[in-house]
Amino acid sequence: KQEVTQIPAALSVPEGENLVLNCSFTDSAIYNLQWFRQDPGKGLTSLLLIQSSQREQTSGRLNASLDKSSGRSTLYIAASQPGDSATYLCAVPDAGNMLTFGGGTRLMVKP
Amino acid sequence: NAGVTQTPKFRVLKTGQSMTLLCAQDMNHEYMYWYRQDPGMGLRLIHYSVGEGTTAKGEVPDGYNVSRLKKQNFLLGLESAAPSQTSVYFCASSEHYGADGYTFGSGTRLTVV
Repeated sequence: KQEVTQIPAALSVPEGENLVLNCSFTDSAIYNLQWFRQDPGKGLTSLLLIQSSQREQTSGRLNASLDKSSGRSTLYIAASQPGDSATYLCAVPDAGNMLTFGGGTRLMVKP
Repeated sequence: NAGVTQTPKFRVLKTGQSMTLLCAQDMNHEYMYWYRQDPGMGLRLIHYSVGEGTTAKGEVPDGYNVSRLKKQNFLLGLESAAPSQTSVYFCASSEHYGADGYTFGSGTRLTVV
């Protein structure tokens, strides 16, 4: 059974820092990996989707990398802003396309 | 905007009452899902559908029923609500391993008293 782990569980940084969120998964036979953002009391917003054939995806200040062989993905946030404060979730589909989620990283960016 | 729409956004039920949560997507996705999110438990799959007229059980199906009579709609029913079903419910849709990944609705916050 796929297990997804995210480290750290919580992170507090001053505004302007570059930061890295980590996601690891136990079964490397994945088709893709998706990063989501969830604001308190809100739904999940898709940030980046990396197909298994890709090594990274970029969207604005966000960059996600994927290393299937080592079972890892990282989400890099450049020049963090208070508006980046949220919970970040990574998820991978199993053979039936059912998503397994990590526990999330709760990010606080202080002004 | 194209996406997944959930109704209602909030609801309070008394124990034993029934209700139906509606999920609608306009992306022509084949797959649809219902998740619940609880503090400390993460997102757990309740039921899912791989196409119109099909449904299947997920990780926590007990106490819920679903129907997918139309491709764009996926309904989640609670026949006799219990306090343990107090949660935030999210609907999602996807293609099968498609390039779009999953798209989630904004959620329904349900309280059972």
